[in-house]
Amino acid sequence: DAGVTQSPTHLIKTRGQHVTLRCSPISGHKSVSWYQQVLGQGPQFIFQYYEKEERGRGNFPDRFSARQFPNYSSELNVNALLLGDSALYLCASKPPTDQNTGELFFGEGSRLTVL
Amino acid sequence: AQSVTQLGSHVSVSEGALVLLRCNYSSSVPPYLFWYVQYPNQGLQLLLKYTSAATLVKGINGFEAEFKKSETSFHLTKPSAHMSDAAEYFCAVSPSGGYNKLIFGAGTRLAVHP
Repeated sequence: DAGVTQSPTHLIKTRGQHVTLRCSPISGHKSVSWYQQVLGQGPQFIFQYYEKEERGRGNFPDRFSARQFPNYSSELNVNALLLGDSALYLCASKPPTDQNTGELFFGEGSRLTVL
Repeated sequence: AQSVTQLGSHVSVSEGALVLLRCNYSSSVPPYLFWYVQYPNQGLQLLLKYTSAATLVKGINGFEAEFKKSETSFHLTKPSAHMSDAAEYFCAVSPSGGYNKLIFGAGTRLAVHP
């Protein structure tokens, strides 16, 4: 079975531009979360979506937005990019039989570099 | 607020030596605790998890961790390090609610030398 897939794997943008990152969860998983991992730090929670609704939001500015589609895939959008947005963006999905234990399955991430 | 502290950003061991990676958490409610491993240029892989069952948790690749409530600790150990264990290790805590939010520590980079 395919794991969590993310695209693109690498991208370079300039300050002020916009970026869209995409994620497909494991088949059967209905919940998707996004994390930002700045170099040398642990991942930080950005968003969680379940059944196309936002269920949680981390301490990120409104430049960050996301959505989930009927097939449970998800997009993360970042507007007006800043140098500090350079990071590895991780998507994770949650199995439906895992009752609130927080176990997540991560993709390999999209590495964003802002110049 | 819940938080996780990993003591030591870098740990270096010899092949065959004991691995000990330290994690302390703060939580006002019984937490769920996790260790994840990240190999270079890859995402995170779950090593093991504590969800209020047995306090000694066994994971993949010979790793285990012990939940000690009195010390608010969840240290990761492996009796004998292999070269393939070189990676970054993250301790994480999850509120015992309905969200997927994980709070990660800053990570510990494990180096294994011959």
